[in-house]
Amino acid sequence: EAGVAQSPRYKIIEKRQSVAFWCNPISGHATLYWYQQILGQGPKLLIQFQNNGVVDDSQLPKDRFSAERLKGVDSTLKIQPAKLEDSAVYLCASSLRNEQFFGPGTRLTVL
Amino acid sequence: GNSVTQMEGPVTLSEEAFLTINCTYTATGYPSLFWYVQYPGEGLQLLLKATKADDKGSNKGFEATYRKETTSFHLEKGSVQVSDSAVYFCALSEYIPGTYKYIFGTGTRLKVLA
Repeated sequence: EAGVAQSPRYKIIEKRQSVAFWCNPISGHATLYWYQQILGQGPKLLIQFQNNGVVDDSQLPKDRFSAERLKGVDSTLKIQPAKLEDSAVYLCASSLRNEQFFGPGTRLTVL
Repeated sequence: GNSVTQMEGPVTLSEEAFLTINCTYTATGYPSLFWYVQYPGEGLQLLLKATKADDKGSNKGFEATYRKETTSFHLEKGSVQVSDSAVYFCALSEYIPGTYKYIFGTGTRLKVLA
């Protein structure tokens, strides 16, 4: 079965610019997660969807970050405007029952 | 709230050495416990899991036992290889209605020298 797909793999932008990331979860997985992983740290949950509804977005900086999951399948995460501290790897994961599968991540560098 | 604490790295071992990476957790209820591995430039891959007390998860020579009395889930391998060099994350999952939420430790970098 195909894994979790993410694009782009790498992105370099200047501060105050906008950026969007895309995730396609494993087919049939109802739950989708976006994590931020800063270098040397563990993944930090930004937002969790169950189908197309939000389960938890308590750690999403809503003044600059937004995410949507239309039709309960693909998802996009947007940052507008970006700050230097947003430099990180953004991981998407999907889950079925109690097992989570991760995509390769998007490495964002904000200059 | 629930949390995961794992030993700081990096851990540097010679090939064929014994590996232990400590992980302890704080949780209400009965979480499931996981070890994930992350190779450079890749996402996290599930290495093993245990869903209840005294369960032992195992995969690729790695093992971990769910110890409720010590709230621990230490990762072990009897003989490491250079290819095991990676970052290892301990995690727990807690059930929330209809789905699961995952909490990760900060990761332990393992470097195995030939």
